[in-house]
Amino acid sequence: VQLVESGGGLVQPGGCLRLSCVASGFTLSDYWMHWARQVPGKGLVWVSRIRGDGRETNYADSVKGRFTTSRDNARNTLYLEMCSLTAEDTAVYYCGRDEVLGSGSLQHWGQGTLVTVSS
Amino acid sequence: QSALTQPPSASGSPGQSVTISCTGTSSDIGKYTYVSWYQYHPGKAPKLMIYEVTKRPSGVPDRFSGSMFGNTASLTVSGLQADDEADYYCSSYGVINNNPYVVFGGGTKVTVL
Repeated sequence: VQLVESGGGLVQPGGCLRLSCVASGFTLSDYWMHWARQVPGKGLVWVSRIRGDGRETNYADSVKGRFTTSRDNARNTLYLEMCSLTAEDTAVYYCGRDEVLGSGSLQHWGQGTLVTVSS
Repeated sequence: QSALTQPPSASGSPGQSVTISCTGTSSDIGKYTYVSWYQYHPGKAPKLMIYEVTKRPSGVPDRFSGSMFGNTASLTVSGLQADDEADYYCSSYGVINNNPYVVFGGGTKVTVL
């Protein structure tokens, strides 16, 4: 099982950025997937989750209406579209595979991609 | 979706035990048996140590155990080893107003004295 995030970088406040998470070693459509983030030096924060077929998504209140999680199972890829970004969104973003029905039991994680929101 | 409450730090000598608490609400820990615990070393991906309150993934030593009572879950690390020094995060599944969510705790830094 391998998860590889990409797409992080420097973005201006108010801008948008799309992160990708490429999965290998398993059938992506069989699993709920999550995004979480960590501000350097601070704690882990859950961002969103998406069901295996892509028909259900849920978000943390702090990102609701600004972030969109999607997936392309044929391309083995998970996405996180982030808009209206603020400095508070600066963090390392991780994707994770859920082992138990979307409950947040994430055994496999990517290495993370850093998003910096700054002018 | 308030963050779960963990003590900021805990410590113990090698061979001793340390227990970390994680307090949620009646919408998450108090209602569902979907509490997980993660070991985190900065710069690395989090490692799942416990899921569904008490279950250990393959490869996690049985020195790590989980429990729950009411709105509070706990992680106990027995026979502390130097390698156990890390940040530990709890998480729980919850539902508020028919909206499912996952929430992490603020993290506990475990120091092996």
